[in-house]
Amino acid sequence: DAGVIQSPRHEVTEMGQEVTLRCKPISGHNSLFWYRQTMMRGLELLIYFNNNVPIDDSGMPEDRFSAKMPNASFSTLKIQPSEPRDSAVYFCASRELDPTSAFFGQGTRLTVV
Amino acid sequence: GESVGLHLPTLSVQEGDNSIINCAYSNSASDYFIWYKQESGKGPQFIIDIRSNMDKRQGQRVTVLLNKTVKHLSLQIAATQPGDSAVYFCAENTSDMRFGAGTRLTVKP
Repeated sequence: DAGVIQSPRHEVTEMGQEVTLRCKPISGHNSLFWYRQTMMRGLELLIYFNNNVPIDDSGMPEDRFSAKMPNASFSTLKIQPSEPRDSAVYFCASRELDPTSAFFGQGTRLTVV
Repeated sequence: GESVGLHLPTLSVQEGDNSIINCAYSNSASDYFIWYKQESGKGPQFIIDIRSNMDKRQGQRVTVLLNKTVKHLSLQIAATQPGDSAVYFCAENTSDMRFGAGTRLTVKP
């Protein structure tokens, strides 16, 4: 398995634009997590899904952020409109439903100018 | 100027020395624990895990110790190498998988 795949690896966008981050979890993993990492706030959990269903989105900063998981092999995190303070590295991770170790993607470095 | 940001516990060791990174957990019902390593520019990676029916588990150059009485974990790295420089996170077996600040390990040549 190629591991958790995120795209794009880097994204530079202008303030106000819509940004979509993508994640392909490891096949057979039932839980998927989205994180944001910054120097100021560390590694923050934004939202997680079990069996494609959002379980806890309390970490989503505000209504500008939304996440979907239309099927077991794909998830998106969308920011609309983007703001400079959204600049961060966004990680996706997946694991089996019964809590075990998680596998992280390489991350998407987002810069909003 | 003064740097601002998340206060990360740091550990600086000499190459070849042993490193010990500590972690406290909060949920006495937790039965599974994981250590992750995050190198610069990469996502966290699994290093080693331990279940609550054990108090020690060894891997290659790493050992995890679990003290359930005081809810404490430690990660020991033997003969620390420059490639061990990273941020290390411990995680409890919870459904939501939240992380603390981590500990930054710096290895001096």
